[in-house]
Amino acid sequence: GESVGLHLPTLSVQEGDNSIINCAYSNSASDYFIWYKQESGKGPQFIIDIRSNMDKRQGQRVTVLLNKTVKHLSLQIAATQPGDSAVYFCAENYSGGGADGLTFGKGTHLIIQP
Amino acid sequence: DGGITQSPKYLFRKEGQNVTLSCEQNLNHDAMYWYRQDPGQGLRLIYYSQIVNDFQKGDIAEGYSVSREKKESFPLTVTSAQKNPTAFYLCASSKGQNSNQPQHFGDGTRLSIL
Repeated sequence: GESVGLHLPTLSVQEGDNSIINCAYSNSASDYFIWYKQESGKGPQFIIDIRSNMDKRQGQRVTVLLNKTVKHLSLQIAATQPGDSAVYFCAENYSGGGADGLTFGKGTHLIIQP
Repeated sequence: DGGITQSPKYLFRKEGQNVTLSCEQNLNHDAMYWYRQDPGQGLRLIYYSQIVNDFQKGDIAEGYSVSREKKESFPLTVTSAQKNPTAFYLCASSKGQNSNQPQHFGDGTRLSIL
């Protein structure tokens, strides 16, 4: 079937456990970050965003942590469910840069074990 | 419901043929983008448009063309000059340039070669 997860880093977790997905971003001047979820054969879906003046932001069952010192972003998913199986990728933007918008990471394939 | 609609979902191209992928949004967004996604890779920017009747090349524009005659529509033509067109094509929109806003995606068009 269709898959955008081929050859990506894979994270396998048990249903009900917490998941932590990591992302190293490239531009130290980036001031806006987003996490997307992409299911097979579908477009990316916005999960949560964070601006560089924050180091933590919480949503429903998700938390994003930003460490600007080491240019690291993480997405924590609480009580992982089968529907969380997807490819997750981060995106960054520098508002003082060009108008071409976000720079996307390659993604991590999250697999939920029953 | 507001959103981005891409059509068709699947498209097949013959040798020497140009094909056009449709992207329509009713979110009243100024900016629109076209990305190409290959297995195991991140999204690569083909073209983007910040305003009607204006568009800019992205990182991999060769073999592609676009138009932006209406705010709601940003069609992408894959020309015969694109020698490796097989990929998943994603259209996105956002409120505007450098506004640190998330991009919202359609569900993609999968293009294959006959």
